[in-house]
Amino acid sequence: DTGVSQDPRHKITKRGQNVTFRCDPISEHNRLYWYRQTLGQGPEFLTYFQNEAQLEKSRLLSDRFSAERPKGSFSTLEIQRTEQGDSAMYLCASSLDGRPGGYTFGSGTRLTVV
Amino acid sequence: AQSVTQLDSQVPVFEEAPVELRCNYSSSVSVYLFWYVQYPNQGLQLLLKYLSGSTLVESINGFEAEFNKSQTSFHLRKPSVHISDTAEYFCAVSDPGGSQGNLIFGKGTKLSVKP
Repeated sequence: DTGVSQDPRHKITKRGQNVTFRCDPISEHNRLYWYRQTLGQGPEFLTYFQNEAQLEKSRLLSDRFSAERPKGSFSTLEIQRTEQGDSAMYLCASSLDGRPGGYTFGSGTRLTVV
Repeated sequence: AQSVTQLDSQVPVFEEAPVELRCNYSSSVSVYLFWYVQYPNQGLQLLLKYLSGSTLVESINGFEAEFNKSQTSFHLRKPSVHISDTAEYFCAVSDPGGSQGNLIFGKGTKLSVKP
């Protein structure tokens, strides 16, 4: 297993466009998390899944954001009508049953909205 | 809501010198505490964690952190740093009885080790 993979690594988009990111977790991990990291800040929780069920969403996840994990494996995060404030690093992590300290993070997708 | 404060945004230090990266958290209830390291263009990697038991926890590469409940602190230390320790370090906390998905991070401390 090669760890948590995120695609693309970088994305530049024009304001108003839609973007979609993909995360492939470690295969045996049943939990998958999305975090957002802006410049000078630590990662902030967005949402998490246990298998295919989305169990929690942060208030940071506005209506323009949607995340899915249709078969309990990979996940996608879509941002509609992007705004400049969406520019950030989007991090995905996975874990087995949410064990403390058991999160494995991907390298992230850096989004720049111009 | 819990919060994590990392008091120093940047820490420059010379190679082989000791270093301490400070972390304080807001909650007085039981918490799990973590330090993560992020090298350039890489994801976060767990450096060490405190769940219970001994208040002093160590990593395999010479870092240690001490859980101090009365001061709600979890400072990270290394007696002698190397150039390769240059990275950004994040302190994080989770509530064992709270949200199962929410790991709360500080803003990070950039450690810069100079020769």
